Amino acid sequence: DAGITQSPRHKVTETGTPVTLRCHQTENHRYMYWYRQDPGHGLRLIHYSYGVKDTDKGEVSDGYSVSRSKTEDFLLTLESATSSQTSVYFCAIRPQGQETQYFGPGTRLLVL
Amino acid sequence: AQTVTQSQPEMSVQEAETVTLSCTYDTSESDYYLFWYKQPPSRQMILVIRQEAYKQQNATENRFSVNFQKAAKSFSLKISDSQLGDAAMYFCAYRTPAMGQGGSEKLVFGKGTKLTVNP
Repeated sequence: DAGITQSPRHKVTETGTPVTLRCHQTENHRYMYWYRQDPGHGLRLIHYSYGVKDTDKGEVSDGYSVSRSKTEDFLLTLESATSSQTSVYFCAIRPQGQETQYFGPGTRLLVL
Repeated sequence: AQTVTQSQPEMSVQEAETVTLSCTYDTSESDYYLFWYKQPPSRQMILVIRQEAYKQQNATENRFSVNFQKAAKSFSLKISDSQLGDAAMYFCAYRTPAMGQGGSEKLVFGKGTKLTVNP
């Protein structure tokens, strides 16, 4: 257990509405990540953070923004949700000095 | 760009037997890390095993071991004495070492292999 929680765990929303997913960690890890998982694609990196207010884009960042105002929380925002953003979203952390990323339990998002 | 290929969408094994899951990757880097993650029906992503490319010795974790062939860019996972609890999706993943602030933080995943364990 890497001390990672994600909220909400499940969400149904409508196209065009804003959605924010939260990743919370309790162990002061500097590095945090957001991935999405879709059938046939494995996991793909959306955004990552290497410290408070330090973030960068991953390979599928279009339509997503992130914020990290404090070490323990990394927020993923869909400004205007689309059906193509229906997915399972995973947060991960990487302890400093280690190469392994550890994942949260995931959030299932359905955009109707 | 780095890519990871898992050529077996599905595999099955009898309980107590051995199964090998295949993974190949493409990179021009000489130093990198490789991982196998397990995803049971609960959807939790669980690290199974990790291999550093600079280490020639294959990693082992209890019933799980890898066959790392650097020249062939191959990283297969062997599960011995398979148990019902091993049934899951298995993902192979690659990343380069973190360098500087941020660094190459992308973990590249294959599309996964679904393993069924038959009693």
